[in-house]
Parts: sequence; C-alpha cells; structure tokens
Amino acid sequence: EVQLVETGGGLVQPGGSLRLSCVASGLTFSDSWMSWVRQAPGKGLEWVANIKEDGSQKYYGDSVRGRFTSSRDNAKKSVYLHLNSLRAEDTAVYYCVRDSSKYGFDIWGQGTMVTVSS
Amino acid sequence: EIVLTQSPATLSLSPGQRATLSCRASQSVSSYLAWYQQKRGQAPRLLIYDASNRATGIPGRFSGSGSGTDFTLTISSLEPEDFAVYYCLQRIKWPPTFGQGTMVEIK
Repeated sequence: EVQLVETGGGLVQPGGSLRLSCVASGLTFSDSWMSWVRQAPGKGLEWVANIKEDGSQKYYGDSVRGRFTSSRDNAKKSVYLHLNSLRAEDTAVYYCVRDSSKYGFDIWGQGTMVTVSS
Repeated sequence: EIVLTQSPATLSLSPGQRATLSCRASQSVSSYLAWYQQKRGQAPRLLIYDASNRATGIPGRFSGSGSGTDFTLTISSLEPEDFAVYYCLQRIKWPPTFGQGTMVEIK
C-alpha cells in the first residue's frame, strides 16, 4: 500500500520551533519530488515547500521562506520540514505530498496539526 | 503568482443531480490543472490531472475539461459520498497555487 505518514505536530509557543517528519512506504521515494502543503483551520490549501529527489533543490512559499527548511533522507524514505520562528498564522494541518511530474500532487499523508499559541 | 478563482463558493444540490464547478486562472496554465476532493477531516484526494484525466480509481461520473484559463469539473450524477469541498490546483507556474474551494452541499 502506498502511504505517507506525518508526525511531529503539536502545540508550540510563538517564536518556537518544530520538526515535522514524513515517512513513505509503497512508492519509489528516491525518485520523487516531495512537497508540504498546509491548511489553516477552516481555510483552503496553501503550498509551503518542496524538495527535489536528491535534496539538491528546495523551494519555499513567500510566507515561510527564511523560517522553514526542508530536508530528506532517502535511505530512511523520509522528508522533513523544520519550522522556526513560528507565528500564530502558521497554525495549520501540514500535509506531506508526493509531487509527481506526471500526476502532480497525487499522494497525500493524513496530515499533522501544528498549533502556535501561548 | 497565478490566482485561481473558483465558482460558485457553495453549490447546493440533491443526490442524482449534475454538479458543474468552475475554476478560472489569472493567466494561462495550458492544460496543467488538477482537481481535488476533500471530505471533512480527511486529506485531499486527486480526482483529475492535466485538466481532463481521471486519476486511478476515480469513478467515471467525474470529468474535467478546459484549457488556458477556464476549467470545469463536472459530476454527472451526485452520489451521497460526493458532498465535499473541491479545489483546483495549478503547478505549471511557480509557486503552485490552489483555488479557494467550492463546497458541494446537500440541498
């Protein structure tokens, strides 16, 4: 079964940090760009970041650039999102997504909730 | 960035009726547009990619059309499980952007 499982969400104070993890199974992870997409409570979807198959290229949305960093470990079939200098507006469910060249965002994890509050 | 505008915001229909959802791009995205379905408490699910291709396992009642700036998702006959929020996405121009969503609700 093809699956992405995110972990690492939780409650963090403004200005704090968190690391989200996503483990893949059932797909050729090392051949896949991976993205992170978030959804604030009751709101729509926002693309956050992506990372190339070998980790050599990374791109970020304007709202998180300079604060969030993506990385990956293909041996562990894992991708990570490091969240720093967190703000209340970063509160959201964060989804790990396979970014297929043919199908686009075709495989989604179940999401992990990040709450930024004092 | 490319802005995707979905209409209507909410569509109130009965099971068995036809649903027509629109997505308009602020500039051409050729045919590189996808549609997603999201049910409450669940992750989005890919329905349509490249404007008109159904993803694996998606029922034939879902169809997509359009190119350039105007796109349509059609559900030919609504089933109870189709009541959800639908998003369009373009990823041909960086950054990838989503529409704000159309909620299909039971009338």
